[in-house]
Amino acid sequence: SQQGEEDPQALSIQEGENATMNCSYKTSINNLQWYRQNSGRGLVHLILIRSNEREKHSGRLRVTLDTSKKSSSLLITASRAADTASYFCATLGDTGFQKLVFGTGTRLLVSP
Amino acid sequence: DAGVIQSPRHEVTEMGQEVTLRCKPISGHDYLFWYRQTMMRGLELLIYFNNNVPIDDSGMPEDRFSAKMPNASFSNLKIQPSEPRDSAVYFCASSPSQETQYFGPGTRLLVL
Repeated sequence: SQQGEEDPQALSIQEGENATMNCSYKTSINNLQWYRQNSGRGLVHLILIRSNEREKHSGRLRVTLDTSKKSSSLLITASRAADTASYFCATLGDTGFQKLVFGTGTRLLVSP
Repeated sequence: DAGVIQSPRHEVTEMGQEVTLRCKPISGHDYLFWYRQTMMRGLELLIYFNNNVPIDDSGMPEDRFSAKMPNASFSNLKIQPSEPRDSAVYFCASSPSQETQYFGPGTRLLVL
């Protein structure tokens, strides 16, 4: 089964508003990553946060990680129509030769 | 760098036919991953290679699927014989480590 579960499954907002997506996972991790997928395209890496970090920023993106709750959130501030895409969290386990496990994704629609 | 290259971009075939999907990873990346994405099951890791060696093929659905990486610049995924339930988008991704992955544009496969 997939490691990450994202919430909400779909989100619809207006341009300029903030979008928050959440990800929960089950086992201990080395890092957690967020990816974006535009319709009909491959996934694009957005940001990586390590297990010993609590918050990270990249442009309009802000990611938080709470390892005690096994959860992460992705905040997109001042959203734009071009942010319309599906967003996936992915976790890398912290033992052995681990593989990146992707969540179910949140579909974000930003209307002009 | 051209990024990860996949071919063909679209494939339509009839049940029972052999299908070959191809991938050229980013030069210098030691890891190569094959994923399958469907609406029902989301993004599934099929197999991944490290330095051309298959490390984990536990995601390969059944013996009809096989993947090879004869050298650092090429991998293929074969389905023989193909079935309608194999219809999906197949992604190849490469990575310099087990962390950030770089995805190709995908091959959209339809088996009739």
